[in-house]
Amino acid sequence: DAGVTQSPTHLIKTRGQQVTLRCSPKSGHDTVSWYQQALGQGPQFIFQYYEEEERQRGNFPDRFSGHQFPNYSSELNVNALLLGDSALYLCASSLEGQGAADTQYFGPGTRLTVL
Amino acid sequence: AQTVTQSQPEMSVQEAETVTLSCTYDTSESDYYLFWYKQPPSRQMILVIRQEAYKQQNATENRFSVNFQKAAKSFSLKISDSQLGDAAMYFCAYRRGDMRFGAGTRLTVKP
Repeated sequence: DAGVTQSPTHLIKTRGQQVTLRCSPKSGHDTVSWYQQALGQGPQFIFQYYEEEERQRGNFPDRFSGHQFPNYSSELNVNALLLGDSALYLCASSLEGQGAADTQYFGPGTRLTVL
Repeated sequence: AQTVTQSQPEMSVQEAETVTLSCTYDTSESDYYLFWYKQPPSRQMILVIRQEAYKQQNATENRFSVNFQKAAKSFSLKISDSQLGDAAMYFCAYRRGDMRFGAGTRLTVKP
């Protein structure tokens, strides 16, 4: 049973560029959430996708956008990168509407460095 | 807004001893979920234990147990018989809708 996978593992970009991060949820899960974890801090919620729509959004600018595909995989896009976007980006999946639905399982993350 | 506070940035425990990590949260809701996640240096966030707010019984998973005090909005994690592999960052999280995390507690286990 495959867990949550993310790609790439590491990424280096320069200011102003755009980046796309990818996530495949745990088998059987239908919901994907994205988090940004700055160094030495707890993860911050970016947004959640369910049934190919953004269902909830945290306090992040519109430069952060996402997408969910029919196979439940998801992408996180960040435009006009800033130095402050350097962080570990975590994807978490869950199965909503079930008994243990509120438990999210995390992927290994993508380390983004903006120079 | 819901906030999660972990007041212990760092904790240390001797191998085989017991340690308790503290967590408090702020909410006006009555139905929610609480979690403890472990993040080792490999950085993968691993679920340790989960508690539904409507359940009075404290959750237990092997050597890990919680002390859930709903009225006090407190959710501490007790690790018994600590092992070297328990060394990691531990995050307390609250979920009703989106997930809110505390700043984490770095646990060191001394041999």
